[in-house]
Amino acid sequence: DAGITQSPRHKVTETGTPVTLRCHQTENHRYMYWYRQDPGHGLRLIHYSYGVKDTDKGEVSDGYSVSRSKTEDFLLTLESATSSQTSVYFCAIKDRDTYNEQFFGPGTRLTVL
Amino acid sequence: AQTVTQSQPEMSVQEAETVTLSCTYDTSESDYYLFWYKQPPSRQMILVIRQEAYKQQNATENRFSVNFQKAAKSFSLKISDSQLGDAAMYFCAYRSSSNFGNEKLTFGTGTRLTIIP
Repeated sequence: DAGITQSPRHKVTETGTPVTLRCHQTENHRYMYWYRQDPGHGLRLIHYSYGVKDTDKGEVSDGYSVSRSKTEDFLLTLESATSSQTSVYFCAIKDRDTYNEQFFGPGTRLTVL
Repeated sequence: AQTVTQSQPEMSVQEAETVTLSCTYDTSESDYYLFWYKQPPSRQMILVIRQEAYKQQNATENRFSVNFQKAAKSFSLKISDSQLGDAAMYFCAYRSSSNFGNEKLTFGTGTRLTIIP
């Protein structure tokens, strides 16, 4: 257990509304990530953070923004949700000791109607 | 760009038997990491095993072992003595060894493993 929680765990929203997903970790990991999981694609990186206020884009970042004002929290925001953003979203941290392995949170299922 | 291919969308195995899941990848790098993750119906992503490309010895974790063939860019997962709890989606993943600017894990599309009692 890497001490990662995600909230909410499930959310249904309507097209055009803003949505924020929260990832919280309790073990002071520097690196945090947001992935989305879709059938036929595996998991794909949206954004990642390498420290407070330090973030960078992943391969599917369009339509998403992130913020990290505290070490323990990494927020993913959909400014104006679209149906193509219906997905399962996973947060992950990179292990401090090995710096190689990523451990994942429980996931958030988001449905955009 | 790196790609990871899992050519078996579904596999099944009799309980207590051995099964091998295939994974191939494409990269121009010489140093990298490979992982197998398990995703049971709970949806939790669980790290099963990892392999560093610079190590010739195949990684082993209890009933799970890998066959890493660097020249062939192949990284298969062998599960011995299959148990009902092994039923899950299995993902192969690649990560560059560089610590900055190559942070993503590149995942395959997964293999769904069914255990037959």
